[in-house]
Amino acid sequence: DTAVSQTPKYLVTQMGNDKSIKCEQNLGHDTMYWYKQDSKKFLKIMFSYNNKELIINETVPNRFSPKSPDKAHLNLHINSLELGDSAVYFCASSRQWGGQYEQYFGPGTRLTVT
Amino acid sequence: GENVEQHPSTLSVQEGDSAVIKCTYSDSASNYFPWYKQELGKRPQLIIDIRSNVGEKKDQRIAVTLNKTAKHFSLHITETQPEDSAVYFCAASIGGSSNTGKLIFGQGTTLQVKP
Repeated sequence: DTAVSQTPKYLVTQMGNDKSIKCEQNLGHDTMYWYKQDSKKFLKIMFSYNNKELIINETVPNRFSPKSPDKAHLNLHINSLELGDSAVYFCASSRQWGGQYEQYFGPGTRLTVT
Repeated sequence: GENVEQHPSTLSVQEGDSAVIKCTYSDSASNYFPWYKQELGKRPQLIIDIRSNVGEKKDQRIAVTLNKTAKHFSLHITETQPEDSAVYFCAASIGGSSNTGKLIFGQGTTLQVKP
């Protein structure tokens, strides 16, 4: 029983395309996150939602649009993909927001833009 | 701005030796400091964390120390084993009035334990 799951695991697409990544957690957590891990392994927060409400919105191009239909799901839609978007995208969740709760990561989605 | 510096970037030790990874942070309001281990091709997983009201925490072969005055914290792994080989990330929460749960991660340390 996977706690945080993401689909797809791999995504290969061409520049200019639009793609979505889906994330689901079955932990009953209130807060979910999207992280980007670049080729140098650097992990950077992109967005966070608490109970479907956006609470963290980092300096991310507006081609990236998160959407949380309910507190168990957080999707990431990317428009007009660019080469620099190639990375591993991790979804994560925590019991609550507030900075002192363990974040559980999903398996990651490796996005390759050609 | 918010920043977490992590050193060293790579660390190679013999099996059975100890390994130490150090991090410094910039936000004096940070109050939560987790450490994550990421094996090759896998997700980051929490191995230990410490809160600002504690100076040291230990879990079997892993320990973390925190010096709030100096704004640095360290991970200590004793009796290293080949399965400890991974990338280790420190992180610090962004605290104060904007405590949104945001974690700032260090750059990662690739630990190699040689048999």
